[in-house]
Amino acid sequence: GDSVTQMEGPVTLSEEAFLTINCTYTATGYPSLFWYVQYPGEGLQLLLKATKADDKGSNKGFEATYRKETTSFHLEKGSVQVSDSAVYFCALSRGSGNTGKLIFGQGTTLQVKP
Amino acid sequence: DADVTQTPRNRITKTGKRIMLECSQTKGHDRMYWYRQDPGLGLQLIYYSFDVKDINKGEISDGYSVSRQAQAKFSLSLESAIPNQTALYFCATSDTGHGTDTQYFGPGTRLTVL
Repeated sequence: GDSVTQMEGPVTLSEEAFLTINCTYTATGYPSLFWYVQYPGEGLQLLLKATKADDKGSNKGFEATYRKETTSFHLEKGSVQVSDSAVYFCALSRGSGNTGKLIFGQGTTLQVKP
Repeated sequence: DADVTQTPRNRITKTGKRIMLECSQTKGHDRMYWYRQDPGLGLQLIYYSFDVKDINKGEISDGYSVSRQAQAKFSLSLESAIPNQTALYFCATSDTGHGTDTQYFGPGTRLTVL
């Protein structure tokens, strides 16, 4: 079945460091891919998404590129801030034509220190 | 005002009690979902509903039931709560009209079963 695997956390970085959180997926066909972020005490918010191969999603300085050949959707940011401290979830969906269910990775906790 | 609201935000109950968690949305979306979040496991789908008369089980529906009272309301019930149902519960909505199921999450309900 479909699945999503994220790198283990927590990830601890100093402010202004470069961030990469790895995400790989297993799915047949062409799922849509998402990154959601969960700030402390809050629900999940969509950070970015990509719907087809080679698409790049971007938002708030974060980027991720849909790589069909490596089945990956790694999240990157050039310079993290303390306010980026949160849990990040990679997810896939087969889209509204199917059930539209999201399948999540286990989440990666990011801590950014001043 | 929040588009997806959940009540209560926190609940402590005892084993064997019946509990209802409620979700309301003002986004006008057709689809609604209930997820459970456990530390290190990401989110798992409990139930989902495509409209008032279409309700489906997710991966972990045992011990739970749902009711879709209206397009805007989707309730999750634990008929006889047990301690391993202690978790963070999220409601989400999505719209089928745009081809990609971006889901919008409520703030969550933290449930503790003693």
